[in-house]
Amino acid sequence: ETGVTQTPRHLVMGMTNKKSLKCEQHLGHNAMYWYKQSAKKPLELMFVYSLEERVENNSVPSRFSPECPNSSHLFLHLHTLQPEDSALYLCASSQGVTVTGELFFGEGSRLTVL
Amino acid sequence: DQQVKQNSPSLSVQEGRISILNCDYTNSMFDYFLWYKKYPAEGPTFLISISSIKDKNEDGRFTVFLNKSAKHLSLHIVPSQPGDSAVYFCAATPNSGYALNFGKGTSLLVTP
Repeated sequence: ETGVTQTPRHLVMGMTNKKSLKCEQHLGHNAMYWYKQSAKKPLELMFVYSLEERVENNSVPSRFSPECPNSSHLFLHLHTLQPEDSALYLCASSQGVTVTGELFFGEGSRLTVL
Repeated sequence: DQQVKQNSPSLSVQEGRISILNCDYTNSMFDYFLWYKKYPAEGPTFLISISSIKDKNEDGRFTVFLNKSAKHLSLHIVPSQPGDSAVYFCAATPNSGYALNFGKGTSLLVTP
């Protein structure tokens, strides 16, 4: 069992829908991340939270809205997405926001926007 | 603009032989480098890392080499095993920051 759990694993939504991706980490970490992996592209950092405060927002469109209610949970709220937003969304956590230690990734949520 | 490049999308190696995965970077501010391994339907898992103050780091069958002047690093797997078949991502970060820059990955297939 992975220390970082993502739900749902697969999601299909229309462009007018509102949905949310959920991430939970059981590792006692205090930093959490959302990454996007599109086909034939590198993993792209979307958001970083440290101690529940957002510390990084990599010019992500406002149709993606993160929420971090506590250090163990991270959400990505989705609304009025575009087909090009179809991708694998990966959550990760770490102890602190420096990466001399490694990131622990979840298994990802595969999103398809119709 | 992509700052971390893995120019070989795939690599096939025979079991027992050496696998060499390459990675190039463009940002001279990068000072910490990591390799991640990803199996299908799983998230990436950390494999090995190296700081810019070193040129080699070894962990069992895995060794990472860093050539700062060439802005190049490589991952050596010796001996390769079928279970090593996965996608390997190179990542780099400046000044030990959290903004990991990933390459596109190299898919390694180790054949029996």
